Amino acid sequence: AQSVTQPDIHITVSEGASLELRCNYSYGATPYLFWYVQSPGQGLQLLLKYFSGDTLVQGIKGFEAEFKRSQSSFNLRKPSVHWSDAAEYFCAVVKAGGTSYGKLTFGQGTILTVHP
Amino acid sequence: DGGITQSPKYLFRKEGQNVTLSCEQNLNHDAMYWYRQDPGQGLRLIYYSQIVNDFQKGDIAEGYSVSREKKESFPLTVTSAQKNPTAFYLCASSKGVTGRGYTFGSGTRLTVV
Repeated sequence: AQSVTQPDIHITVSEGASLELRCNYSYGATPYLFWYVQSPGQGLQLLLKYFSGDTLVQGIKGFEAEFKRSQSSFNLRKPSVHWSDAAEYFCAVVKAGGTSYGKLTFGQGTILTVHP
Repeated sequence: DGGITQSPKYLFRKEGQNVTLSCEQNLNHDAMYWYRQDPGQGLRLIYYSQIVNDFQKGDIAEGYSVSREKKESFPLTVTSAQKNPTAFYLCASSKGVTGRGYTFGSGTRLTVV
């Protein structure tokens, strides 16, 4: 069964510092990959997604992610964190193609705290 | 604007009662999903539906039931058989089942009192 691991439960950074959130997946083939952000008590907002092609993808709010097939990773990065980035971040995968019924599998989430 | 509406935002249930969470979408999406969120566990799939009058169990379906009588609606009933129902519930939809795009509702927080 496919699985997603986010090794860091909680990360604290200072405002203006760089950020990297890790995501590793276990799957027999390259899946579709997503990063979502969630503010407390809210739904999920899509930051970026990877289907194929260029392994460095750009998203909203200045985020980017790099797909590394050899490491089964899809890490999220931001060069300079803003206080408004404090939230919980989820990595998710789904089997590429039409037989998965679109079932997203999520990591456990990483809570980001930003210090002024 | 199109989107997914979940109601109510907060719901309180006495032990032994069934409660129903509403999920409505006006995106003309074919597939709909229910996820349960608990702290530190991410989101886990409860049920999903590709088409009207058809739905499948997800990873944690025990104690839950759903219906899909209309394309735009996918209500979730939390039954008394669900032993630990206190959680945040998220509904989602997608145009097809290729896995390329999802829209999430804003969630319902269910608390057992």
